[in-house]
Amino acid sequence: EPEVTQTPSHQVTQMGQEVILRCVPISNHLYFYWYRQILGQKVEFLVSFYNNEISEKSEIFDDQFSVERPDGSNFTLKIRSTKLEDSAMYFCASLPPKGQVPSESYEQYFGPGTRLTVT
Amino acid sequence: RKEVEQDPGPFNVPEGATVAFNCTYSNSASQSFFWYRQDCRKEPKLLMSVYSSGNEDGRFTAQLNRASQYISLLIRDSKLSDSATYLCVLGNTPLVFGKGTRLSVIA
Repeated sequence: EPEVTQTPSHQVTQMGQEVILRCVPISNHLYFYWYRQILGQKVEFLVSFYNNEISEKSEIFDDQFSVERPDGSNFTLKIRSTKLEDSAMYFCASLPPKGQVPSESYEQYFGPGTRLTVT
Repeated sequence: RKEVEQDPGPFNVPEGATVAFNCTYSNSASQSFFWYRQDCRKEPKLLMSVYSSGNEDGRFTAQLNRASQYISLLIRDSKLSDSATYLCVLGNTPLVFGKGTRLSVIA
């Protein structure tokens, strides 16, 4: 079964450093998402991406964050200058084109996540 | 009012027990609803969609009450492997997650 992959599984970085989290969505999916989950908290939406541009973003997704789909397969999340409070699990998710699957099967597929630790 | 509210638990139940989780949501315009399961430090995985008429999948039954903005999940004959956090999710795009209810099934 196809799956979403993410690398690295764990990233440790110092405050102020830039990090890039990588995701490879399922190949025929068209909608891509980043979510984060701070330890002990709920999963929170960061950004959605469709047709090579951001379609929606949350208030968490400020100027320190950016996303890219540089080569048609990878989907990256960059944090320019990390803060301690950016420490969290970051999940990538992808969604197939509407109409390709029955609506009751229309689920977002999540990757295994990258645990980011900012020290 | 939080968008999705769940009892955080933990619910500690013996194997074979029946356990029910409840969830309330604030956005009356929400059209689709899901229950996800999340194991410790893992990604959320879809458990089941919640249909207006209620639906059952093996030992799991989901119910939706739109008038009360209330969703439930019933697990019958609990197994040790059911131990996880159960997330109530609004299927608006993007997904809106509750904080989850933790279940521990004890031998």
